[in-house]
Amino acid sequence: GAVVSQHPSWVICKSGTSVKIECRSLDFQATTMFWYRQFPKQSLMLMATSNEGSKATYEQGVEKDKFLINHASLTLSTLTVTSAHPEDSSFYICSARLSGNRYGYTFGSGTRLTVV
Amino acid sequence: AQTVTQSQPEMSVQEAETVTLSCTYDTSESDYYLFWYKQPPSRQMILVIRQEAYKQQNATENRFSVNFQKAAKSFSLKISDSQLGDAAMYFCAETSYNTDKLIFGTGTRLQVFP
Repeated sequence: GAVVSQHPSWVICKSGTSVKIECRSLDFQATTMFWYRQFPKQSLMLMATSNEGSKATYEQGVEKDKFLINHASLTLSTLTVTSAHPEDSSFYICSARLSGNRYGYTFGSGTRLTVV
Repeated sequence: AQTVTQSQPEMSVQEAETVTLSCTYDTSESDYYLFWYKQPPSRQMILVIRQEAYKQQNATENRFSVNFQKAAKSFSLKISDSQLGDAAMYFCAETSYNTDKLIFGTGTRLQVFP
């Protein structure tokens, strides 16, 4: 079955530093990947949609300069949280949609980011 | 705009009993899909069931079934013969061909008591 690997599973960083989260489709090509943010006991909020080889589309209210998304290949998308602050602490989840499968979404296991 | 609403923050059910989780949605699209996802404490999102909007027949996956009321924009999930392992957060979600965004509801926490 389709597997998405998300790394790291958890990270602690100092305020002001940058953190990169990787989302990799292991056994399929993903033209489109999605990044979500989930606060404790809340829903998944879509941050951005990334398409391979093009700029990401950010949702309203999401700072594109703070959350840099790169989708350089059909199997890898990265989210970089730049100049992280404590309020960026959250659970980040990626999702990949199989190329040619309009409604087949596979999720990574998530990354818990803590900024101290 | 896409919106998905789950009006039940928490639900509980006795083991072996049946429980129904509610979901309503709003979309102007005609070609869309609806989903129920389960998020256990591990926080891994697991697809429970999926419904194509153009299909009138309600989707069923073993103990899980949906009641899809297209005119009312309602999409409820019925869990039969509830098991302890069903305890989790359940999210209703919607996507469409044109928007290509999977939007989630606020979630329902399901507790299962022995």
